[in-house]
Amino acid sequence: DGGITQSPKYLFRKEGQNVTLSCEQNLNHDAMYWYRQDPGQGLRLIYYSQIVNDFQKGDIAEGYSVSREKKESFPLTVTSAQKNPTAFYLCASSHQPGQSSYNEQFFGPGTRLTVL
Amino acid sequence: GNSVTQMEGPVTLSEEAFLTINCTYTATGYPSLFWYVQYPGEGLQLLLKATKADDKGSNKGFEATYRKETTSFHLEKGSVQVSDSAVYFCALSRQTGANNLFFGTGTRLTVIP
Repeated sequence: DGGITQSPKYLFRKEGQNVTLSCEQNLNHDAMYWYRQDPGQGLRLIYYSQIVNDFQKGDIAEGYSVSREKKESFPLTVTSAQKNPTAFYLCASSHQPGQSSYNEQFFGPGTRLTVL
Repeated sequence: GNSVTQMEGPVTLSEEAFLTINCTYTATGYPSLFWYVQYPGEGLQLLLKATKADDKGSNKGFEATYRKETTSFHLEKGSVQVSDSAVYFCALSRQTGANNLFFGTGTRLTVIP
């Protein structure tokens, strides 16, 4: 089955440690996205990548970093510079603009990060 | 700029009641509009979408019509079920350029038997 996987589902880290969240997709999508969700709020865009080896900052990129070395993978690192890292993180993917249904995003199940 | 304003929740309904969740938007150009649903502890699932004015998206008994004149995309269902309990997000995406979505704050729906 095609889809997006995120691991782990729950993650606990001590304050001051960097942590990397995994996101893998086998939908053959060019574009991938990371969103952050806080209680009672909508999703906010952290980073996105429209093609391999290229990525752009979203609205709340400070304290985060990403890489896009493979089409299928878009890992997110939450660094110690992120002041409030405890949140639910969602990864998504889509086709590129110009392709059919390009503006429809498919989401992974999410990773809940708790920093102690 | 682009933004989405959603009806604040939570919303509690009895089974078989009529549901409306309001959504209005501000956007440049002609965005596509979406409703996503999030069940507890899960990621988001696309519920329905509309890509141009007067389009009606529908799925699983839910409907929403893209109203350009009122910049709205209200979600409706004629008879809700307990299994519809979830958080519903209205979202828009730009038609060109970067493809990210702009989300409303979400509306939590609880349906009681």
